[in-house]
Amino acid sequence: AQSVTQLGSHVSVSEGALVLLRCNYSSSVPPYLFWYVQYPNQGLQLLLKYTSAATLVKGINGFEAEFKKSETSFHLTKPSAHMRDAAEYFCAVTPFGGYQKVTFGTGTKLQVIP
Amino acid sequence: SQTIHQWPATLVQPVGSPLSLECTVEGTSNPNLYWYRQAAGRGLQLLFYSVGIGQISSEVPQNLSASRPQDRQFILSSKKLLLSDSGFYLCAWRRLAGETGELFFGEGSRLTVL
Repeated sequence: AQSVTQLGSHVSVSEGALVLLRCNYSSSVPPYLFWYVQYPNQGLQLLLKYTSAATLVKGINGFEAEFKKSETSFHLTKPSAHMRDAAEYFCAVTPFGGYQKVTFGTGTKLQVIP
Repeated sequence: SQTIHQWPATLVQPVGSPLSLECTVEGTSNPNLYWYRQAAGRGLQLLFYSVGIGQISSEVPQNLSASRPQDRQFILSSKKLLLSDSGFYLCAWRRLAGETGELFFGEGSRLTVL
């Protein structure tokens, strides 16, 4: 069984400030982990993925995430928020091998304040 | 490169009317296909998935159904819509086993049932 918990359904940051979106997972086997971004009325776009190689994963738009097995976490960060980062972000998990169901968190809406 | 398309993008239907949403993938063969629904404040709910032509698995009992008449075509249907069917419907595909398991999403179809 697998699950994902995203802490905070809404996060607000000032433009230029650090972005930190939290994700904790539960998986009975080694996981693959993903972060997706969704802009209003659009589909989900893959930001980055962890597939058991490097624990620090760099993605698009300046985002990165670090896989911490001891903490079962995969938090998403960006050093400096931009107005265009305002969107909803979803963390997702699937078991190693990648061919079972993908389980999504409930999402975190990021607001960027000018 | 692979692309995924959904239509219609927006749909307003009366209660009790039928529904047909279509999804087509290009540039790949034998993909796994998925229908998700986003209702306000409820994250992503997996409705159906398919591993091949004519093979449909249902995740949530409801008045919706899915069909896969061709390898790269996935259709979501209903004979009689309910108010609770309103939401944002997302089609997605992923490669077969041996890949890293990420999903690729279409642009979404927003359904409003009145």
